Amino acid sequence: EVQLLESGGGLVQPGGSLRLSCAASGFTFSYDAMTWVRQAPGKGLEWVSTILGGGTEIYPESVRGRFTISRDNSRATVHLHMNNLRTEDTALYYCVRIDKWPNRFDAWGQGTLVTVSS
Amino acid sequence: QSALSQPASVSGSLGQSITVSCTGTMSDVGSYNSVSWYQQHPGKAPKLVISEVSDRPSGVPDRFSGSRSDNTASLTISGLQAEDEADYYCTSYATSGTWVFGGGTKVTVL
Repeated sequence: EVQLLESGGGLVQPGGSLRLSCAASGFTFSYDAMTWVRQAPGKGLEWVSTILGGGTEIYPESVRGRFTISRDNSRATVHLHMNNLRTEDTALYYCVRIDKWPNRFDAWGQGTLVTVSS
Repeated sequence: QSALSQPASVSGSLGQSITVSCTGTMSDVGSYNSVSWYQQHPGKAPKLVISEVSDRPSGVPDRFSGSRSDNTASLTISGLQAEDEADYYCTSYATSGTWVFGGGTKVTVL
């Protein structure tokens, strides 16, 4: 069974930094692309970043230059490094596996909450 | 990349059929088979219910189906059940090499 467990969320001031982690199990981690998707309170889903098995990174304009996704295939872990955080980055951040690239986000963690506030 | 357009809400009676639309452009929905749908109950993580426009993953009831016409994808729930009341999101891969989500549709079972 595929399992994704996020950690690292918390309260941070505007302009601050945070690193999220996602521990994966139940599949061959190095084969699959991994993604972060976020959901602001009461709002919809927003794609945040993706990293392919070989390490290629992809970002939307909204976070490019501030967020960095990375992975450690030996530890089956993916990270999201977030810098220069803004109040609008407040959201529940989900770790997601991409199956049958680029077709489907087939496994989701339970999310970790990031609150950016002074 | 603009978000895909979904109706804010759709409702139907128990046992009825409903359809949720997801309108994009030739740069996303109209170009790729990477259109998928996710169901989200309150306080829960999203769950994949349709992938690659019309493929239903193992374990998803066959009352869920997907289709596409030009730049608009659709999710149909036939024989609506109480447990189908949830938020539904579409997403598509795009020519920019990114993904775009719809704004979400709240499905209410009357």
